Amino acid sequence: QVQLVESGGGVVQPGRSLRLSCIASGFTFSSYPMHWVRQAPGKGLEWVAGMWSDGRGIYHADSVRGRFTISRDNAKSTLYLQMNSLRGEDTAVYYCAREPPNGDLKCDAWGQGTLVTVSP
Amino acid sequence: QSVLTQPPSLSAAPGQMVTISCSGSSSNIGKSYVSWYQQIPGTAPKLLIYENNKRPSGIPVRFSASKSGTSATLGITGLQTGDEADYYCGTWDSVLSVGLFGGGTKLTVL
Repeated sequence: QVQLVESGGGVVQPGRSLRLSCIASGFTFSSYPMHWVRQAPGKGLEWVAGMWSDGRGIYHADSVRGRFTISRDNAKSTLYLQMNSLRGEDTAVYYCAREPPNGDLKCDAWGQGTLVTVSP
Repeated sequence: QSVLTQPPSLSAAPGQMVTISCSGSSSNIGKSYVSWYQQIPGTAPKLLIYENNKRPSGIPVRFSASKSGTSATLGITGLQTGDEADYYCGTWDSVLSVGLFGGGTKLTVL
């Protein structure tokens, strides 16, 4: 069955870096666009970044552009989110999500999420 | 404040019907498909509706949706206590090239 498993979250000081990973299984990872979506404590969903299946389309939200970078390794069926210059407002559960092609953010599979806490 | 506007909360009695609105603009809802997600607190979001009005397999027919111009609507009939959740609309903004979610609507079934 389709499975997405995030890892790499934890507690980090402001200004430091963290890299999240999302390992996919149960489907042909290289055929699907993938996204990172986050949810701050008690808040709604916020799209963070997306990447097309071939890696040529890469998009980031204004709130993270220049600090976060999405990438993927199709040979390893793994999606990454490199997070630099972390701020308190980046504290959130980070989900990776799969989007069938031509989906317009139609995310049909989600991981369980990994918590990132940015605190002194 | 989200670019896609949803009512923050709604409540209705079991068995009744409720509609949740999602208002956007010509660059997002006006140009792209809309999806709807259900999120039970403490769990990952679940796709409820895709391509404006289609249900993934396993989603009951009680859930329906539509889109008109720059707005979309999710409808739930025959409300059950298990429908208590947060509901989000989502789409792609083709001008800004970013993904968008509505602010979410907390549905209470009392």
